[in-house]
Amino acid sequence: DQQVKQNSPSLSVQEGRISILNCDYTNSMFDYFLWYKKYPAEGPTFLISISSIKDKNEDGRFTVFLNKSAKHLSLHIVPSQPGDSAVYFCAASLFSGGSNYKLTFGKGTLLTVNP
Amino acid sequence: IAGITQAPTSQILAAGRRMTLRCTQDMRHNAMYWYRQDLGLGLRLIHYSNTAGTTGKGEVPDGYSVSRANTDDFPLTLASAVPSQTSVYFCASSPDKSGGYTFGSGTRLTVV
Repeated sequence: DQQVKQNSPSLSVQEGRISILNCDYTNSMFDYFLWYKKYPAEGPTFLISISSIKDKNEDGRFTVFLNKSAKHLSLHIVPSQPGDSAVYFCAASLFSGGSNYKLTFGKGTLLTVNP
Repeated sequence: IAGITQAPTSQILAAGRRMTLRCTQDMRHNAMYWYRQDLGLGLRLIHYSNTAGTTGKGEVPDGYSVSRANTDDFPLTLASAVPSQTSVYFCASSPDKSGGYTFGSGTRLTVV
């Protein structure tokens, strides 16, 4: 049972336009949601996160929106740049004891930004 | 530079052989994790450790073991490798939930 779903394996946008990456989840106990970016032959890098008690978090060109009632979050990149081309993973955090949390990842979406 | 070091970078391994993937962090994070990344399946948790001396099973633990003798090191061992363990393995650590994980650069393992 996949708890974090990214239903679009790939997305292609033009440079300067908006990229919208979507993610759905099933477990209402998730308390933090994160986006990671991954370039080929590198490890994933943290991009932006949002607490489950908020509905929006913005960091420069990146904004994450959370709709708890729909169990849906999205990452908006505006304006998109060719360097944003990468695989984007959605992840959800669940408290696992002490001060530690486990992340559950989606399958990823390959974003291609065309010049 | 603070971060996570994984070794080796890549390895070709004969089926049935034993292999240990190394992971070392210098950020004094309590929690560490091992994930495997496979095409179309994303990142799946193999094992984790909330603190030195404790470990736990993730989503796909079979065929793998881990140990956490100290804060910095979290090796992953394949006792008898099989071709289905061909994958890219990522080690990660975390300070808390909001900042996310720090990942290593990965180990590409091919079992033949």
